[in-house]
Amino acid sequence: EIVLTQSPATLSLSPGERATLSCRASQSVSSYLAWYQQKPGQAPRLLIYDASNRATGIPARFSGSGSGTDFTLTISSLEPEDFAVYYCHQRANWNTFGQGTRLEIK
Amino acid sequence: QVQLQESGPGLVKPSQTLSLTCTVSGGSIKSGTYYWTWIRQHAGKGLEWIAYIFYSGSSYYNPSFKSRGTISVDTSKNQFFLNLTSVTAADSAVYYCATYTRETAFDIWGQGTLVTVSS
Repeated sequence: EIVLTQSPATLSLSPGERATLSCRASQSVSSYLAWYQQKPGQAPRLLIYDASNRATGIPARFSGSGSGTDFTLTISSLEPEDFAVYYCHQRANWNTFGQGTRLEIK
Repeated sequence: QVQLQESGPGLVKPSQTLSLTCTVSGGSIKSGTYYWTWIRQHAGKGLEWIAYIFYSGSSYYNPSFKSRGTISVDTSKNQFFLNLTSVTAADSAVYYCATYTRETAFDIWGQGTLVTVSS
């Protein structure tokens, strides 16, 4: 099983700041890495697929990069609605998710 | 736009079988675009993929669930299902149905249904 490790566990930032979230895979997943946003009481929402492609309707402030084992989700300028939990997901070898990064308001 | 809605018992007794239904609206389950998926999330925890199925019946399981889980589809009702046998408290979670595509990932999700395993 491919293990995804996200860091940091919690990120405290202010609106307008830049957020950088990391996801590291225990073995290469090529570019088969996605990112999801989850708000309390809601289902996850797909943000990024195949490492760097924004899903339909996702604002341009969200971007993804990386390949192999190291991936990054960047939110260029945080909006109030961006404070949530973010999960990475690999689909190179079945499907596994990271444990999540909580992005909280500082 | 495809929409998904989970349904099932909120409470299941230990050792019994958990049965969940996902109703698909706004599109046909026979669409060749999607694999119909079950994912669960323990309270305050991360996400766990259980299985997905194509409308033809081809199914794929997380190895952790292969012995206890059965995913199936009823194209006449535009529904798909999850049965999980011999449940324990560890199976208490929010269960989501979702769509998976080879081009993207899990891109459409239901709202989730909370299942508690308790006597």
